[in-house]
Amino acid sequence: DTAVSQTPKYLVTQMGNDKSIKCEQNLGHDTMYWYKQDSKKFLKIMFSYNNKELIINETVPNRFSPKSPDKAHLNLHINSLELGDSAVYFCASTKTGTGPTEQYFGPGTRLTVT
Amino acid sequence: QKEVEQNSGPLSVPEGAIASLNCTYSDRGSQSFFWYRQYSGKSPELIMSIYSNGDKEDGRFTAQLNKASQYVSLLIRDSQPSDSATYLCAANNAGNMLTFGGGTRLMVKP
Repeated sequence: DTAVSQTPKYLVTQMGNDKSIKCEQNLGHDTMYWYKQDSKKFLKIMFSYNNKELIINETVPNRFSPKSPDKAHLNLHINSLELGDSAVYFCASTKTGTGPTEQYFGPGTRLTVT
Repeated sequence: QKEVEQNSGPLSVPEGAIASLNCTYSDRGSQSFFWYRQYSGKSPELIMSIYSNGDKEDGRFTAQLNKASQYVSLLIRDSQPSDSATYLCAANNAGNMLTFGGGTRLMVKP
């Protein structure tokens, strides 16, 4: 199936730990994103990344870092996890070009920090 | 700060009626706008995109854009109970990053 996939689907961990979330897309897209959806369901962009440029939302703590081994993968690494990091994290991708750049979302990773 | 505003709802409509969802945005530099549907516990699903003033129709859905008024809307004709979900409006910004509104919860009652 062509899609954006994420692993794991659920992640429960303790404060202070370091964790990673993986994202893969097989849509042939050139740009990938990470979004955070908090308990109030507000969806907020964290990063935009293609093979040339990383754009970071200025509000994202530097404990969060995206890592891209290739164009089809964009992983999210989080250091020193805090309670406030608990949220659903969505990966998305798009193919840039003329016209609207429609983004397609992965299924999400629900992170719970205890 | 670039913002996208939506009424949180819930918007309740009877089955078969037209549901009208509205959105305003603050960044005049935004060129493209998107409507996503999100069921509880699921990921956002793209319904429509629009970047020209006027209407764009796709099946039961019509997106409307008025750049002068910085206003985007989504009409759902012949609403079905399966349309009950949260509808997210988004505007693109620099780097093709999307700014989302808080979403409007739609309830279609049989």
